[in-house]
Amino acid sequence: QKEVEQDPGPLSVPEGAIVSLNCTYSNSAFQYFMWYRQYSRKGPELLMYTYSSGNKEDGRFTAQVDKSSKYISLFIRDSQPSDSATYLCAMTNNFNKFYFGSGTKLNVKP
Amino acid sequence: GAVVSQHPSWVICKSGTSVKIECRSLDFQATTMFWYRQFPKQSLMLMATSNEGSKATYEQGVEKDKFLINHASLTLSTLTVTSAHPEDSSFYICSATGTGSYEQYFGPGTRLTVT
Repeated sequence: QKEVEQDPGPLSVPEGAIVSLNCTYSNSAFQYFMWYRQYSRKGPELLMYTYSSGNKEDGRFTAQVDKSSKYISLFIRDSQPSDSATYLCAMTNNFNKFYFGSGTKLNVKP
Repeated sequence: GAVVSQHPSWVICKSGTSVKIECRSLDFQATTMFWYRQFPKQSLMLMATSNEGSKATYEQGVEKDKFLINHASLTLSTLTVTSAHPEDSSFYICSATGTGSYEQYFGPGTRLTVT
């Protein structure tokens, strides 16, 4: 079983839609959860960071962590074509090693 | 945010030769640097973790004699792919963190093609 599972998509939505991206994980020791956005042929860039369970909002992005279910989500409101990218979840318990999901490719159609 | 650079961004080499990729943190001290490999449409595969002044810790299945990692200073780490083969062709990405930080700053990646 992989440490982190993420649906690879692709996910195609119309502009303005609400997007929901999700990951599940198996290691209950993970405490820090991150979402990265990666454009084609570029390195990932950090979007959101959450510690332990709870929600965090930043503009159009909301990250949720449910540790009891070992499930994390990223919501994108009012999605834009510029949001089209691959979204990677990542998590760690000690910053020595980060575990990444396989990434979900998102396409927002104008 | 902090900036991590990689050089070169793209390299083509012949089978059997060695290639060095540099990863630099431009405006912060990177106590830990990570080297990842990414195949098309797949996620990041951690190859090794390096701390400044220490030997790199390699993930299971990664040949340390083939992928030489040096973290000589707090701003520079290098990955040398020795005796490269076509199956080593991939996208190599480094990242860096400061002490006890969750925030990994990624480089733009290096595309290696071995012919």
